[in-house]
Amino acid sequence: EPEVTQTPSHQVTQMGQEVILRCVPISNHLYFYWYRQILGQKVEFLVSFYNNEISEKSEIFDDQFSVERPDGSNFTLKIRSTKLEDSAMYFCASSEARAGVYGYTFGSGTRLTVV
Amino acid sequence: AQSVTQLGSHVSVSEGALVLLRCNYSSSVPPYLFWYVQYPNQGLQLLLKYTTGATLVKGINGFEAEFKKSETSFHLTKPSAHMSDAAEYFCAVSDRGATNKLIFGTGTLLAVQP
Repeated sequence: EPEVTQTPSHQVTQMGQEVILRCVPISNHLYFYWYRQILGQKVEFLVSFYNNEISEKSEIFDDQFSVERPDGSNFTLKIRSTKLEDSAMYFCASSEARAGVYGYTFGSGTRLTVV
Repeated sequence: AQSVTQLGSHVSVSEGALVLLRCNYSSSVPPYLFWYVQYPNQGLQLLLKYTTGATLVKGINGFEAEFKKSETSFHLTKPSAHMSDAAEYFCAVSDRGATNKLIFGTGTLLAVQP
């Protein structure tokens, strides 16, 4: 079964450093997403991406965050200057169609720890 | 704004007992509805979804859920719990085109006692 692949599985970074989280969505999917889950809390939407541009973003997704699809397969989330409160599990997801009518597929996540 | 309520942050059942995890949504227009499972230190795995058609939806691992428009609910059930079902379960919704994001409930941690 097709998978969404995320790397690395775990990243530790110092406060103020830039991090890039990487994702390879399912190849025939058109919509890409980032979500995060702070330890013990619910999964929160960050951003959705379609046709090489951001289609929607949450209030969490401020100027410190950016997304990019640098080639035909990768989808990245960059945090420019990490804060302690950015520590969370970050999930990439993709969907074939809008609003997930055929479902959303999630990756296994990157656990980001900011120290 | 659309919201999802999962009643009971922790549910404990005995092995072999019925599992019932509750989910209610807030919108007047029925959204697309999803249940995801998260095993410890793992990602989110889709259990089942309802978008249209039959209101009783069967998913993986013996789980099923019924969409009840009158009750704005999408409760998850399994007739007989297994130890391997111990995990966190998330109900999620997406609007039918108004937005393209999933909104998650706060999750229910299911414990299965031997």
